[in-house]
Amino acid sequence: AQKVTQAQTEISVVEKEDVTLDCVYETRDTTYYLFWYKQPPSGELVFLIRRNSFDEQNEISGRYSWNFQKSTSSFNFTITASQVVDSAVYFCALSGDQGGSEKLVFGKGMKLTVNP
Amino acid sequence: DAGVIQSPRHEVTEMGQEVTLRCKPISGHNSLFWYRQTMMRGLELLIYFNNNVPIDDSGMPEDRFSAKMPNASFSTLKIQPSEPRDSAVYFCASSRYSGDTDTQYFGPGTRLTVL
Repeated sequence: AQKVTQAQTEISVVEKEDVTLDCVYETRDTTYYLFWYKQPPSGELVFLIRRNSFDEQNEISGRYSWNFQKSTSSFNFTITASQVVDSAVYFCALSGDQGGSEKLVFGKGMKLTVNP
Repeated sequence: DAGVIQSPRHEVTEMGQEVTLRCKPISGHNSLFWYRQTMMRGLELLIYFNNNVPIDDSGMPEDRFSAKMPNASFSTLKIQPSEPRDSAVYFCASSRYSGDTDTQYFGPGTRLTVL
């Protein structure tokens, strides 16, 4: 069975601090996909990034970066120089080989509060 | 382009009443998903369709829940009769299979309160 664990439930930082959100997954599939979604206080779920199991290249997009390590089954997300607008709940999710065309298994989410 | 559209955005009803939630996926998408979000259980899949055909309904709590997708641009999730424990935010999402780039995009959700 697939499982996603976000051990941190809540983090509070001061603006401009860097923050890393941890995600550990379990799957028996050899091909799988990992996702991060953001849920701001307004409630919608916003897609941030998708990675497949064959692509361990880490990615940087502006202030966001992702670190995918198959050896430790981790897909961590870092926000550099955090801003108040980054305050949200962040979800890590996992699917099988059909990617976004099949069920996503979500972690419990991690609430990030960025204080001015 | 319009995103996933859900209606109503908020629904307050009394126990025992029938509730119908509606979803219009993104045009051209061929997969549609219904998720439920609660504090206790987090985000969990209820059911999903590929090309209007239900593929996995193992997450549907019980017979009180039913979902249909009569065509590619519309789906409903019905609860009859509703119970207080059904109170949650219900999200619809859609995706289009395209090899390595398909991603589920979520609607704004319907916040259901059953009194």
